[in-house]
Amino acid sequence: KQEVTQIPAALSVPEGENLVLNCSFTDSAIYNLQWFRQDPGKGLTSLLLIQSSQREQTSGRLNASLDKSSGRSTLYIAASQPGDSATYLCAVPNNAGNMLTFGGGTRLMVKP
Amino acid sequence: DAGVTQSPTHLIKTRGQHVTLRCSPISGHKSVSWYQQVLGQGPQFIFQYYEKEERGRGNFPDRFSARQFPNYSSELNVNALLLGDSALYLCASSPTGTLPNQPQHFGDGTRLSIL
Repeated sequence: KQEVTQIPAALSVPEGENLVLNCSFTDSAIYNLQWFRQDPGKGLTSLLLIQSSQREQTSGRLNASLDKSSGRSTLYIAASQPGDSATYLCAVPNNAGNMLTFGGGTRLMVKP
Repeated sequence: DAGVTQSPTHLIKTRGQHVTLRCSPISGHKSVSWYQQVLGQGPQFIFQYYEKEERGRGNFPDRFSARQFPNYSSELNVNALLLGDSALYLCASSPTGTLPNQPQHFGDGTRLSIL
């Protein structure tokens, strides 16, 4: 059974810092890994999807990396801003391709 | 184009009641999935429907049921509500029934509170 873990559970940083969020998964036979952002009380916004054949994916100030062999992914946020404050979730699909398994999320607060 | 839409946005029920949550997928998407997110945790998979057939079911009791209509919209039904059913219920859609290489698109959810 796939298990996904995110560390740290919460993070508070001053504005302007570069930061790294971590995601680990137990079964390395994944098709892809998706990072989401969730604002309080809201749904999920897809940030990046990394295919299993890719090592990195970039969108603006966000860069996600994937190391299947070690069961890890990182989300790098450059020059953090207060507007980046949210919960960040990673998720992987199962082999049947009909469900996502999510980590518990990292709650990020960027202080002005 | 409209994204995934869910209704209602908020709902308050009492223990033992029944509830129906609704979801309309992105136009052209044929697969709908339901997730339950308890406060402070990641979403947990409940059901996936594709072409009106159940394609996956998570570890939830039989009090939870769902269906998909010919226009690909979906309903999630929960009977005999318990306090522990209080959560944000998320609906996601994708073009086909298989997720690999296809991102899931989520709605804003329905916040269900059980008193």
